This record gives sequence, C-alpha cells and structure tokens, in this order.
Amino acid sequence: QVQLVESGGGVVQPGRSLRLSCAASGFPFNSFGMHWVRQAPGKGLEWVAFISYDGSNKYYADSLKGRFTVSRDNSKNTLYLQMNSLTTEDTSVYYCATGYWDTPMVSNYWGQGTLVTVSS
Amino acid sequence: QLVLTQSPSASASLGASVKLTCTLSSGHSNYVIAWHQQQPEKGPRFLMKLNSDGSHSKGDGIPDRFSGSSSGAERFLVISSLQSEDEATYYCQTGGTGTVVFGGGTKVTVL
Repeated sequence: QVQLVESGGGVVQPGRSLRLSCAASGFPFNSFGMHWVRQAPGKGLEWVAFISYDGSNKYYADSLKGRFTVSRDNSKNTLYLQMNSLTTEDTSVYYCATGYWDTPMVSNYWGQGTLVTVSS
Repeated sequence: QLVLTQSPSASASLGASVKLTCTLSSGHSNYVIAWHQQQPEKGPRFLMKLNSDGSHSKGDGIPDRFSGSSSGAERFLVISSLQSEDEATYYCQTGGTGTVVFGGGTKVTVL
C-alpha cells in the first residue's frame, strides 16, 4: 500500500537550514505530483509547496518568500524540501502528501509527519 | 483570491448526523475540493475528493457514513451515525494554477 515516510526534522537554530526527505513506496512515484504541508502547534494545515510528477513545475506558498525549495529524485522515490533562513515561525510538523491522480493540486495520501523546531 | 471558509466548530450527539460546510470564494464555485480528517494527535487522512456537481470519490477504507455534496460555491461533508472516533478536525482543500489553500478547519465534537 501507499507509504510516505518523512525524515530530517529536528531542532535547528534561527537562521540555519534544514533539508527534509519523504521516502515513497507502494505507488508509481514518478507519475504523481507531490505536496509539502505544515502545521504549527495548535494551528491548522498550511500548504507549503507542490512539485509536478516530473519536477518541471514547482509552486510555493507566498508566505515563504523564496526561502524553501522543493525537489524530487524519481530514481530514489524521494521528495525533498530544502528550508533556508529558518525562523521560529517555521516551527511545525511537516507532512508530505501525494497529489490526487487526476487532480494533483489536492492531496490524497499523507505521511505521518516530521517535527521541525526552530529555537535558539 | 482563492479562499476556503469553514465554521470553526460543530457538534452532534452520538449516532446523529452532522453537516459541515466549506465555502469557495467568489469566482471559484466550480472548483474541486478534498475533505481531510485529522483526529487528535494524528496526521491528516484523506476522506474524499468532491466535484462541483456533487459527485465524489472516497479514500481507501472510508466508511459509507461519510458522504459529500455540492451546491453552488458550497461543498458539504455529511457524517451520519456519528461515532466517537469521528471527533476530529475536518479540513477542506482546493487548488488552482500555482496555489493550494486549506480552510481553517471545523472541529467536530461528539456529545
């Protein structure tokens, strides 16, 4: 069955960088768009980024101001999120999710999330 | 601007039904949405994709108690025969060219 496993979270100081990974299995990864979604403590879901199945299209939330970069390696069935210039407001659980097969801009399967804490 | 509006909370008794509403912003009434459930301390779970005509496709293992419908810019999620495990926050989501948005979520309490 579909499995998405995020990793790379942890505690990081403000201003530093972090790269998250999402290992995918159980479906043809190279045929699906993928999302990153985050959730700050006690808050709702916030969309972060989307990458198309082949990596040719990438979209980001305006609030990120160019600090985050989404990428994928279809040979490794892995999705990435490079996060730079982190601030305390980036503290969240980060989820990866597949796009829906015929409507990729909505999410379908979700990972369990990885916690990123930005703190000095 | 693409925006989804949800009421913050809803409640109903065990075994009863509850109807949640997600409203699309002006000019986006034909958009497809998805409903997701997030139980306390858990990650989100996809419930269904809901089209503007009310047709919907549910996720794996989603009980028949969950159904969706549409009317104009409104998208509905109906949970029948409420169970204790249905106590959760329900989010709607949609996307257009270059952007994706979530509603603020509706927290459902089972009385």
